[in-house]
Amino acid sequence: EVRLVESGGGLVQPGGSLRLSCEASGFTFRNYWMTWVRQAPGKGLEWVGHIREDGSDQYYVDSVKGRFTISRDNSKNSLCLQMNSLRVEDTAVYYCARDYYGWGSHDQWGQGTLVTVSS
Amino acid sequence: QSALTQPRSVSGSPGQSVAISCTGTSSDVGYNHVSWYQQYPGKAPKLLIYDVTKRPSGVPDRFSGSKSGNTASLTISGLQAEDEADYYCCSYATSNTSPYVFGTGTKVTVL
Repeated sequence: EVRLVESGGGLVQPGGSLRLSCEASGFTFRNYWMTWVRQAPGKGLEWVGHIREDGSDQYYVDSVKGRFTISRDNSKNSLCLQMNSLRVEDTAVYYCARDYYGWGSHDQWGQGTLVTVSS
Repeated sequence: QSALTQPRSVSGSPGQSVAISCTGTSSDVGYNHVSWYQQYPGKAPKLLIYDVTKRPSGVPDRFSGSKSGNTASLTISGLQAEDEADYYCCSYATSNTSPYVFGTGTKVTVL
């Protein structure tokens, strides 16, 4: 069974940092682009960024460039999102997702982890 | 890159068909890389359609996708009570702000 399980969410003050993890199982993790998507409370989905199969390239939405970093460890089937200089507007549920068919088609999603940025 | 434009809500009676539009530009929806997702409250999204018209295995054929110019559409035929959910489109985008962009989301209500 394909599974994605996020962890690491919580409450953090503005300007703080947080590291989210996504543990993958049930598929050959190293063969797929992986993506982070977020959803602010009561709002729509927002694409955050993704990383190439081998970790050599990452792309981000403008609003997180320079603050967020996506990395992966294919030996551990693990995806990470390092979030620095957090802002109130980064408050959201963060999902990791697998890009199975390419071009942004995410067929498997984690359950999400809530990040709350507040003083 | 602004979010793709979707109607805020659509509704229909059981058995009817409803269509949800997703309007963008030649720099995003103009490409044939539009996907559609269904999301229930408090749950992760589920992929319904990818590359405009393709349906992953296991997705009922009541769900279909199409595109005309810079507007993509998701049609739900034979509407069922369990189709009441939020729906989002997503497109590849050749903009300098983000390589992918989601739509604003549409709430489907089954009357």
